[in-house]
Amino acid sequence: NAGVMQNPRHLVRRRGQEARLRCSPMKGHSHVYWYRQLPEEGLKFMVYLQKENIIDESGMPKERFSAEFPKEGPSILRIQQVVRGDSAAYFCASSPGGSNEAFFGQGTRLTVV
Amino acid sequence: AQSVTQLDSHVSVSEGTPVLLRCNYSSSYSPSLFWYVQHPNKGLQLLLKYTSAATLVKGINGFEAEFKKSETSFHLTKPSAHMSDAAEYFCVVILPRGNNDMRFGAGTRLTVKP
Repeated sequence: NAGVMQNPRHLVRRRGQEARLRCSPMKGHSHVYWYRQLPEEGLKFMVYLQKENIIDESGMPKERFSAEFPKEGPSILRIQQVVRGDSAAYFCASSPGGSNEAFFGQGTRLTVV
Repeated sequence: AQSVTQLDSHVSVSEGTPVLLRCNYSSSYSPSLFWYVQHPNKGLQLLLKYTSAATLVKGINGFEAEFKKSETSFHLTKPSAHMSDAAEYFCVVILPRGNNDMRFGAGTRLTVKP
């Protein structure tokens, strides 16, 4: 059973481009969380999804950011018209739900130039 | 509402001395609580978890944490720090009912001096 897979590991985008970050949860996990970590800061919650549903997006900026977790395929975090301030590490975690712990991917480090 | 507060953003100890990283939570229900560790430029690794069994939980690398409902705390301890313990530590709460939201504390950076 492979762990949580995030790709790409590193992503460079120019200002104004779109960034797509992918997260494949562990097999059997239907809950996905996205977090952002700015340099020298802790993890900030962005969004929590279950299959085909956004459960909590209270940590997501209102504009330019969106997330989905389709019935088939990975969860996608999409950032449109990226700006320098979007440069960060984005971590995805998955869990089977309930009180079970979540498992984290290695993260995607986004650099906006 | 639920939230988790890590009381210290940075803790510095000498190698061989005890470690105490503090975490308080607020929850209307009995929460599930976790400690994760993140080493520089690495992903997050689960240290230990509390899910309403024994209140004293033992984790990896000699860490343990005690759930104290009366104090709404889940502090992380280790009797003797090692240089390799230097990392960022996150206290996490999951509300077992409702939506299973998982929320992180702001993190505590542990520095270990030789």
